[in-house]
Amino acid sequence: KNEVEQSPQNLTAQEGEFITINCSYSVGISALHWLQQHPGGGIVSLFMLSSGKKKHGRLIATINIQEKHSSLHITASHPRDSAVYICAVTGTASKLTFGTGTRLQVTL
Amino acid sequence: DAGITQSPRHKVTETGTPVTLRCHQTENHRYMYWYRQDPGHGLRLIHYSYGVKDTDKGEVSDGYSVSRSKTEDFLLTLESATSSQTSVYFCATSTDLGREQYFGPGTRLTVT
Repeated sequence: KNEVEQSPQNLTAQEGEFITINCSYSVGISALHWLQQHPGGGIVSLFMLSSGKKKHGRLIATINIQEKHSSLHITASHPRDSAVYICAVTGTASKLTFGTGTRLQVTL
Repeated sequence: DAGITQSPRHKVTETGTPVTLRCHQTENHRYMYWYRQDPGHGLRLIHYSYGVKDTDKGEVSDGYSVSRSKTEDFLLTLESATSSQTSVYFCATSTDLGREQYFGPGTRLTVT
């Protein structure tokens, strides 16, 4: 079992829909990261959080430390949100462990 | 963006040949990392550096070596490339271990 599990693996949504991507982890962590990988391959950090909730534009990330679970929400989704969203945790020895990603496609 | 470049961006090489990938950063970040990305796997750490001439192994370091002679440059060498090293390689930097990482554009390496 991977230390970081994401669900769903693939997600298709229509423009305007509210989207939720989930991340569960099995190890003790000091922080959790959400990253976005564009279709061209570039990877960008979206959030780093250790408790509660963070919001940036239409993106919201939450974390529940007790349940070892985080969610990434996208409100009013748009085709430009189409990307792979990657969850990662800062665990042992402060190294990052990555999930395999959730591929999101938003259609018109 | 942290001003991270990788070269080459694409490379095809033959089994058994040595290959060196370069990562260059302009942000003076202390930490630099090399990852590989393969279908069905998350990004996996190959090696990382915590300063000039200071490096350590990651989870998939076999067959790879690294060097960091200057703060801005981190080189990844495949000593004798194998087909299992066909992958996309990403360099990343951070100000401290466990902090937000900034990624380069990636290098697609094919070993035939």
